[in-house]
Amino acid sequence: AQTIHQWPVAEIKAVGSPLSLGCTIKGKSSPNLYWYWQATGGTLQQLFYSITVGQVESVVQLNLSASRPKDDQFILSTEKLLLSHSGFYLCAWSPHSNERLFFGHGTKLSVL
Amino acid sequence: SQLAEENSWALSVHEGESVTVNCSYKTSITALQWYRQKSGKGPAQLILIRSNEREKRNGRLRATLDTSSQSSSLSITATRCEDTAVYFCATDSNNRIFFGDGTQLVVKP
Repeated sequence: AQTIHQWPVAEIKAVGSPLSLGCTIKGKSSPNLYWYWQATGGTLQQLFYSITVGQVESVVQLNLSASRPKDDQFILSTEKLLLSHSGFYLCAWSPHSNERLFFGHGTKLSVL
Repeated sequence: SQLAEENSWALSVHEGESVTVNCSYKTSITALQWYRQKSGKGPAQLILIRSNEREKRNGRLRATLDTSSQSSSLSITATRCEDTAVYFCATDSNNRIFFGDGTQLVVKP
């Protein structure tokens, strides 16, 4: 069975500090991977997606970057956090395009 | 501009009643998906309906898709308290998957 693991579960960070969030998918080779951001009470906004290792497409620019260093790993990062980065970050995978997304449990980020 | 949006912010029903959440979208799609998100959790997919399908069922759930009016609906019959959640529709176009604002459904005992 496939599993998706996100880390950390929660972070409290200072404005201007760096950030790295991670996501690992086990049990599925070459999954499509996605990062979403959700403000409290808001909708899910797609940030990035990747269909193969080393290739990442940006959907929305929020002063964040993403990388896929390994087939089963997706990293979201920034060198300088803004207050507006606060929210809930969700990683998701799908077996291929136009299929259901399987979401992780998310990371709650508070920027102070 | 929002590419997908539900037509109600919030709905409230009593257990056992039926409820329908509606969604409209603005782009051509390969599929439309319905998700449910419970508080503090990641969304879980309920139904995926492709652009060449008109209806899809999953237990107590029924989704319809009308590509001519660019709209979809999700109906839940015999609602239960555990159906309380935010329901999102999402348009899927080649890995760009856009979610609507969501409809908060509250099912009261």
